[in-house]
Amino acid sequence: IAGITQAPTSQILAAGRRMTLRCTQDMRHNAMYWYRQDLGLGLRLIHYSNTAGTTGKGEVPDGYSVSRANTDDFPLTLASAVPSQTSVYFCASSDRANQPQHFGDGTRLSIL
Amino acid sequence: GQNIDQPTEMTATEGAIVQINCTYQTSGFNGLFWYQQHAGEAPTFLSYNVLDGLEEKGRFSSFLSRSKGYSYLLLKELQMKDSASYLCAVRDSNYQLIWGAGTKLIIKP
Repeated sequence: IAGITQAPTSQILAAGRRMTLRCTQDMRHNAMYWYRQDLGLGLRLIHYSNTAGTTGKGEVPDGYSVSRANTDDFPLTLASAVPSQTSVYFCASSDRANQPQHFGDGTRLSIL
Repeated sequence: GQNIDQPTEMTATEGAIVQINCTYQTSGFNGLFWYQQHAGEAPTFLSYNVLDGLEEKGRFSSFLSRSKGYSYLLLKELQMKDSASYLCAVRDSNYQLIWGAGTKLIIKP
């Protein structure tokens, strides 16, 4: 089934540890996005990539990094996790920036 | 700053009609999206408006007025499975989506 796969589904992490959230899509979409969703707030864009080899910063990029080595994969790395990064993280993709975004099932991350 | 406003929560009765409003102030406008998100799940795309007027898709319709910075999502013949959060998002001048906090819709029998 075509779509977006995120891993892990959930994770509990000690503060200060490094963590990479994985995102893979098989729809050959050009654009990919990472959001965090916190209770009472809208989805907030962390980083995005309009095409393989390029990335950009969103609304809340501090403490996160991304890479886009190929079309399918868009990993998000927390270099040194802090409790404020506890959130649900969604990866999304779209064929072009002006097309609807399709979302993965999310990663529930708790930083203790 | 950029801002998307939606009611936090609404309650409606099974079989009835409900209208969820969204007002926005953004730097530029390149379309408005509505998404549905069931608890614990990913958002799924419902509708897209870029021109003024009404877009109908089955039991769901979405309306846009760009001059008023206003949209609504209309859900007809409500079913229990429509209990979910409904997210309004506006694509700004940089083609990035700015999201509202969502409206939690509770359907009662």
